[in-house]
Amino acid sequence: GAGVSQSPSNKVTEKGKDVELRCDPISGHTALYWYRQSLGQGLEFLIYFQGNSAPDKSGLPSDRFSAERTGGSVSTLTIQRTQQEDSAVYLCASSLRQDNSPLHFGNGTRLTVT
Amino acid sequence: DQQVKQNSPSLSVQEGRISILNCDYTNSMFDYFLWYKKYPAEGPTFLISISSIKDKNEDGRFTVFLNKSAKHLSLHIVPSQPGDSAVYFCAASAAYNQGGKLIFGQGTELSVKP
Repeated sequence: GAGVSQSPSNKVTEKGKDVELRCDPISGHTALYWYRQSLGQGLEFLIYFQGNSAPDKSGLPSDRFSAERTGGSVSTLTIQRTQQEDSAVYLCASSLRQDNSPLHFGNGTRLTVT
Repeated sequence: DQQVKQNSPSLSVQEGRISILNCDYTNSMFDYFLWYKKYPAEGPTFLISISSIKDKNEDGRFTVFLNKSAKHLSLHIVPSQPGDSAVYFCAASAAYNQGGKLIFGQGTELSVKP
């Protein structure tokens, strides 16, 4: 596809369950970012990948959150033992390089933890 | 610690008039600034950027102004159109922070009335 693709677009889960969110970046984009937007808040940085490695995981809010990227392409963000405060829109973005290339965002996954 | 702040959560302007969206930052190491536009249920899209070596960048109806001494930037849209109605996010990055990680403000919802 032409843009960043995220799946699922919506996810409702029960508190305590694990969830996996998927991101397909634009082909050829080496940098990949995960952000989340809680209700009424700005975009909060979670983690950044350059290729398959994650030089910056500083935004992950707890050890329940992890992410991986394989083949320099698809990335999955995993949240274990979900809590209600994890409810947010999770946005993935990719860019051509790791410098000031603009980020291209997907439409996000809206996660609701009940 | 909110390093990028957009103090106006909303702004309403008449079609044809100028829209001015403001953003303040606290980190003097930021050297690249961007504006993103977001429609509901979509990811943010890049609008315009400015490097800290400049004080103005113009692209069609959109102009971004940077005042480094005041740590303030603004986005001017003129003339405003109803299709400009969206949430606008200001973002900043620092060269020392390899990876192009962006720090976002909370967003300002612009409503352009016909």
